[in-house]
Parts: sequence; C-alpha cells; structure tokens
Amino acid sequence: QQPVQSPQAVILREGEDAVINCSSSKALYSVHWYRQKHGEAPVFLMILLKGGEQKGHEKISASFNEKKQQSSLYLTASQLSYSGTYFCGTDPTGTASKLTFGTGTRLQVTL
Amino acid sequence: NAGVMQNPRHLVRRRGQEARLRCSPMKGHSHVYWYRQLPEEGLKFMVYLQKENIIDESGMPKERFSAEFPKEGPSILRIQQVVRGDSAAYFCASSLAGGPYEQYFGPGTRLTVT
Repeated sequence: QQPVQSPQAVILREGEDAVINCSSSKALYSVHWYRQKHGEAPVFLMILLKGGEQKGHEKISASFNEKKQQSSLYLTASQLSYSGTYFCGTDPTGTASKLTFGTGTRLQVTL
Repeated sequence: NAGVMQNPRHLVRRRGQEARLRCSPMKGHSHVYWYRQLPEEGLKFMVYLQKENIIDESGMPKERFSAEFPKEGPSILRIQQVVRGDSAAYFCASSLAGGPYEQYFGPGTRLTVT
C-alpha cells in the first residue's frame, strides 16, 4: 500500500518551519526522502533506517518511528529553494529493491 | 562525475508505435530502477535490474512492456504498441548496491502518445 503523506500542501513564508509526515500501514525497514521541483528529477535528501534514528542535513532533518511506522521530515527556517514536492519512499524489506512512494506534499515558500 | 543519464528527454509516439527509453547509470552503479510518474502523482515502481538480470518486475504491466540491462550499454525500457495511457514521465534511478542505499534519479523521459 502507498504511504500516506500529510499535509498534502503547505505554503510558508521564508524563515518559517514545516513538518511533513509519512505513515505506512506496513512495518518498515527504511524510509527515503526526496524533493522534486516541477519538471525535474527527484533529488535524494536522506535515508532513515529502523532504529528510530534521526538524521539531519543543514536545516532539514528527519525522524523515523518504526513502532508507529511513521517518518517525519522537519524543515527549519525555510528558504525559497525548499519549494517543491516532497516524497517519502518506503521499504518494508531492507532490500530497497522496490520503494513505494507516497502521493507527495507540495511545499511553497514565499517571500 | 556524470549523474544518471536518460535519453531521449522527450519522445512523441503515435498510438501503435514502439518507444525505447535509455538509461545510463552513474559511474560505478550496477543497480537500475525504472519508475513511472503521471502528472501530479507520485512515482510508481516498475522494475529493478542488475547487469543482465531482472531482479523485480512486479510493477511492470504484463503486456507490451519489457526492460533489460545488458552487460554492455545502457538499460532499455521498451514499450510496444503504445497507447494514450502510456503518456507519462519515466524516470530511471541507479544505486551503488542493493539494499537501503540512496537511489539517484535521472532527468526522466517524457513520453507523449498522440
């Protein structure tokens, strides 16, 4: 089943924070986060493995709660360049041979 | 260091024709994945290949679609007798190895069937 992302869309002013959630009905081994700008390829952000770890990349970080089968992506002090659609890809097996992507969260950052 | 390359970037085919989409993975990567994306939708897994092997094709339609990744040369996604519903963006991704490694995406091929 496709993971559910929330919210579906969000509009921020530059400098504001946002949280994007990804929930799965299946037990997960890893969660992969990507950002895609309109008409472009998805760009890899980070992978989280089961174990409840939290990862960070500049002002973007994420957590993974394997018991709840959820991951959250945290965008801090958003910049205009953060605009795009964010997808989580879930992997229940550990092989990552078949990522199942959510429907996406469209983020728009304005001045 | 070249990334994942796909060609053509745009492809227009009439109904009934064949479409061939090519993907060259990042240097050193031997694992290739194909995804399809309809407008305003997420990415749908199609097939996972290693050199000369199809590992998982569970997302591929049973008819008209085939994929290969030969020992030499790019991976090819082939769609025979295209229909309007095949119009989509087709993305290829590659990874260093199987398992939970990051997948790097190419720029995609936008197929339009007229």
